[in-house]
Amino acid sequence: DAGVIQSPRHEVTEMGQEVTLRCKPISGHDYLFWYRQTMMRGLELLIYFNNNVPIDDSGMPEDRFSAKMPNASFSTLKIQPSEPRDSAVYFCASRYRGEKLFFGSGTQLSVL
Amino acid sequence: AQSVTQLGSHVSVSEGALVLLRCNYSSSVPPYLFWYVQYPNQGLQLLLKYTSAATLVKGINGFEAEFKKSETSFHLTKPSAHMSDAAEYFCAVSGSFGNEKLTFGTGTRLTIIP
Repeated sequence: DAGVIQSPRHEVTEMGQEVTLRCKPISGHDYLFWYRQTMMRGLELLIYFNNNVPIDDSGMPEDRFSAKMPNASFSTLKIQPSEPRDSAVYFCASRYRGEKLFFGSGTQLSVL
Repeated sequence: AQSVTQLGSHVSVSEGALVLLRCNYSSSVPPYLFWYVQYPNQGLQLLLKYTSAATLVKGINGFEAEFKKSETSFHLTKPSAHMSDAAEYFCAVSGSFGNEKLTFGTGTRLTIIP
């Protein structure tokens, strides 16, 4: 398996633009997590899904953030409108039941 | 609810010296505890995990950690540091009911001095 695949690797956008981050989990995994990493706040859980259903979105900063998982092999994290304070590395991770969590390589987002 | 506190955001050790990275946890239920490592421009990789079996857990790359309930600690150690150990290390906790979310600490950046 190729592991958790995230795209794009880098995204530079201007304030106010819509940003969509994509994630393909490992085949067969039933949990998918979105994390955000910044110097100030470390690694924060934004939302996670089980069998494509959002279970806990209490970490989503505000209504500008939304996440979907239309099927078992694809998830998106959307920010609309984006702001400079959203600049961070966004990680997607997946796992099967309670087993080991596998991380993607992340998307480095810069909002100017 | 669970949380972890990592003491020291930066740790420097000489090559060949003992590595000790500290982590204390707080959990209202029996915890599962983890250490992850992150190399530059990469995602996190699991080093080791404690799941209520043996209190001394051995992981990859010569790392190990000991679960001490009385101290609510799960410190990461390695007897002899190698240059390739330079990375950021994260302690994490989840509940022990199998399918819970992982909560990470703020990370400790380990620098190895030649």
